[in-house]
Amino acid sequence: EVQLVETGGGLIQPGGSLRLSCAASGFTVSSKYMSWVRQAPGKGLEWVSVIYSGGSTYYADSVKGRFTISRDNSKNTLYLQMNSLRAEDTAVYYCQVEMPTMGRDYWGQGTLVTVSS
Amino acid sequence: EIVLTQSPGTLSLSPGERATLSCRASQSVSSNYLAWYQQKRGQAPRLLIYGASSRATGIPDRFSGSGSGTDFTLTISRLEPEDFAVYYCQQYGSSPRTFGQGTKVEIK
Repeated sequence: EVQLVETGGGLIQPGGSLRLSCAASGFTVSSKYMSWVRQAPGKGLEWVSVIYSGGSTYYADSVKGRFTISRDNSKNTLYLQMNSLRAEDTAVYYCQVEMPTMGRDYWGQGTLVTVSS
Repeated sequence: EIVLTQSPGTLSLSPGERATLSCRASQSVSSNYLAWYQQKRGQAPRLLIYGASSRATGIPDRFSGSGSGTDFTLTISRLEPEDFAVYYCQQYGSSPRTFGQGTKVEIK
C-alpha cells in the first residue's frame, strides 16, 4: 500500500530554515515523479517543486533559489529544504507522487509551516 | 509560466443538477497535460481527471473532462451531496507547473 507521511513543519522565524521530509512506503521514490504542493490558510493550491525519476528538478518562481527538493533513496524519503523563509511561505505543505500506470496519484496528510516572529 | 484561469469562482447548484467548470490557459498546454482535482475542507486534494479527459482510478463516471489546447472543462453530470467542494485545474505539461485559483461548488 502506498503511503506518504510528511514531517518537519512547525513555527519558524522569518529568515530561518526548515527541512520537510516525506517518508514513502509501497513504492521507490527514485522511480517516480514527486512534487511538493502548498496551501496557505484559506487559499488555493500552489505548486512548489517537482523531482523527476531521472533527477531533474523544477521550482515555482516564488521559491526558486530558496527551496531545494531532493530525495534519499536509502531512506526512501523526499525532502524540501526551505531557506530564507518569509511570512508568505506559511502554508500546509503536501507531498505528492504520480502513479500514471495506476491512473492515480497519492498525497500525504500535509505538514503546517508557520513563518512568524 | 502558464496561467490558468478558472470560472466561475463559485457555482451555486442543487443536488441532481449539472455542473460545468471552466479552466482557460494563457498558452497551449503541452500534450493536454491538464488535471482536475477535488478538495474538501481539511483534506488533501483528490485527482479526478488527468490528460484532460481520462478519469482517475475509482472516480465515478458522472465526472468527465474535455478540451484541448487552452480551453478545458470539467463536467459533473448530476451532483451528489458529496460533490460539493472546491475544484482545481492544474497543468503539468511544462514547468513551472501551475494550478488555477479554484471553483467552489456550493449547495444552492
